[in-house]
Amino acid sequence: EGQLVESGGDLVKAGGSLRLSCAASGINFNHAWMSWVRQAPGKGLEWVGRIKSKTSGGTIDYAAPVRDRFTVSRDDSKSTLYLQMNSLKTEDTAVYYCATDLPMHCTHGICYKSWGQGTLVTVSS
Amino acid sequence: QSALTQPASVSGSPGQSITISCTGTSSDVGGYNYISWYQQHPGKAPKLIIYEVSNRPSGVSNRFSASKSDNTASLTISGLQAEDEADYYCSSYSDTDTLVVFGGGTKLTVL
Repeated sequence: EGQLVESGGDLVKAGGSLRLSCAASGINFNHAWMSWVRQAPGKGLEWVGRIKSKTSGGTIDYAAPVRDRFTVSRDDSKSTLYLQMNSLKTEDTAVYYCATDLPMHCTHGICYKSWGQGTLVTVSS
Repeated sequence: QSALTQPASVSGSPGQSITISCTGTSSDVGGYNYISWYQQHPGKAPKLIIYEVSNRPSGVSNRFSASKSDNTASLTISGLQAEDEADYYCSSYSDTDTLVVFGGGTKLTVL
């Protein structure tokens, strides 16, 4: 299985910005459709967004609550996925996971076989 | 409020079977066969145990099985073991404004 390692989580004030990274190894990152999933403390999983591989068009989709505030991007030369978070709200407080269907393959790339360990983002008021 | 509805908790004794339901709409569970199930132990990342309604990834025990009927998906765990105690989440492709929707999660207690 691939290894995913998130970083960049921190304590930030509401209205602030933060960029998360997810370094991938052991998978063909260039062909990976990568997603972000978050989990607020003591709560369930919430899908944040997905970026397709460049060979599949690089299309990006977002969950409604983060659209217009968050940006998913990737640097295939570094096998790294990013999540730029702007205009942060207290309700964005969560552990953020990056995930991918690789080394399997699922339609739409939305069955997540490989996960990172997560990085905690805390937004204070 | 989660898009997919799961019971908050279920319980069973070792060796028994339990079923967790996941109810959505025709825009997600009922309309597509892109339903996954995840197991999450405390402090750990989720683990994929079922994908595309009823398929098990390699390495996942055949004690885990799943199905779908209309707008409801179901996960069955047979021969319950202590290590099965965890939170379980369903997810589905959605044709609404969010590509993937999750259930609120079900806490399984092995008595």
